[in-house]
Amino acid sequence: AQSVAQPEDQVNVAEGNPLTVKCTYSVSGNPYLFWYVQYPNRGLQFLLKYITGDNLVKGSYGFEAEFNKSQTSFHLKKPSALVSDSALYFCAVSLLSSNTGKLIFGQGTTLQVKP
Amino acid sequence: EAGVTQSPTHLIKTRGQQVTLRCSPISGHTSVYWYQQALGLGLQFLLWYDEGEERNRGNFPPRFSGRQFPNYSSELNVNALELEDSALYLCASSQGTGFGAYTQYFGPGTRLTVL
Repeated sequence: AQSVAQPEDQVNVAEGNPLTVKCTYSVSGNPYLFWYVQYPNRGLQFLLKYITGDNLVKGSYGFEAEFNKSQTSFHLKKPSALVSDSALYFCAVSLLSSNTGKLIFGQGTTLQVKP
Repeated sequence: EAGVTQSPTHLIKTRGQQVTLRCSPISGHTSVYWYQQALGLGLQFLLWYDEGEERNRGNFPPRFSGRQFPNYSSELNVNALELEDSALYLCASSQGTGFGAYTQYFGPGTRLTVL
């Protein structure tokens, strides 16, 4: 079965410090990987995706993520965190080999950036 | 460019009632997806519509149904509401299917409370 794991329920970081939100996946084929952010009482906002090519993907608001096939990971990073980055972050995967329309989401990681 | 819109924002219903949620995709998008975000259960795929046809459904009972109209807007219907149907219902749209490569853009959601 395909699955996505975000091993940390919450990540705390001080403003100005680098941040990492971890994501690992388990799929039977080649994955497409996505990161979304959700602010309180809002829908999901797309940050970035990996389809193919360069393993380092740059996205919105200074976020980037690195695809690591051997470690089956797709960690989200930002060099310098802002208080406004505090939100709930979701990693998601869909499969290249099937056309189900379905995104499989991790359980989410709450990022808390303190001033 | 307008994003995905959903209506209503909030709904309160009682057990056994029926509810209809509405979604308008981004202009030019032909695929619409529905997800349920229930407390403690994370984001679960419900339905996928493309070009007016239901293409896939998640592991939900038949009382969850929907349709897509010729203008690509969509409705999600839930019959015989149960307490556990209380959740945020998110609609997303994409340009096509592309075997999962196209990004799904999400609306703000409809918060359904079942009493």
